[in-house]
Amino acid sequence: AQSVTQPDIHITVSEGASLELRCNYSYGATPYLFWYVQSPGQGLQLLLKYFSGDTLVQGIKGFEAEFKRSQSSFNLRKPSVHWSDAAEYFCAANSGGGADGLTFGKGTHLIIQP
Amino acid sequence: DSGVTQTPKHLITATGQRVTLRCSPRSGDLSVYWYQQSLDQGLQFLIQYYNGEERAKGNILERFSAQQFPDLHSELNLSSLELGDSALYFCASSVEAGVTGELFFGEGSRLTVL
Repeated sequence: AQSVTQPDIHITVSEGASLELRCNYSYGATPYLFWYVQSPGQGLQLLLKYFSGDTLVQGIKGFEAEFKRSQSSFNLRKPSVHWSDAAEYFCAANSGGGADGLTFGKGTHLIIQP
Repeated sequence: DSGVTQTPKHLITATGQRVTLRCSPRSGDLSVYWYQQSLDQGLQFLIQYYNGEERAKGNILERFSAQQFPDLHSELNLSSLELGDSALYFCASSVEAGVTGELFFGEGSRLTVL
């Protein structure tokens, strides 16, 4: 079955430190991959997406993600986090733009320490 | 503000009852998606409509139904409610039929079943 796994339920990072959130997918072929962020009481906002081509994709708010086919991973990174980055982060996938919605991981809750 | 409007924001009801959640997509968006977010199941895709027609079905229970009206707003009907239906229900919209572009999420409707 198609699935998206985010191994870390919570991650705590000091403000100004670098961040990496992990995401692994299990699909027959390379899916379309997405990272969304959900701030408290808010809906989800798209950070970035990968369909094909350059495996390092840039997103909003200084985030980037790297697609690694050999590891079936699509990890999200940021070189220096800000307190406002504290939120829930969701990795999601879709099988090539088909009509099957998005499959989301369970999310990683990011805590920023001052 | 994503441009997607969901009402009501909060709803408390009793088991066995029926509720209707409403979603107005962004202006110009033809696709509407419904997702359920709960602590144990995470974000689950329920159903998608495109320009008034059902396009994709996910993990939607038979007690649940949805429709998209000619003005493109959508309603999710939940009947014979059970305690386990308590969740945050998100609506999202996009221009396209397939999930290749960005989904714009509303702030959700929080349903509590007592």
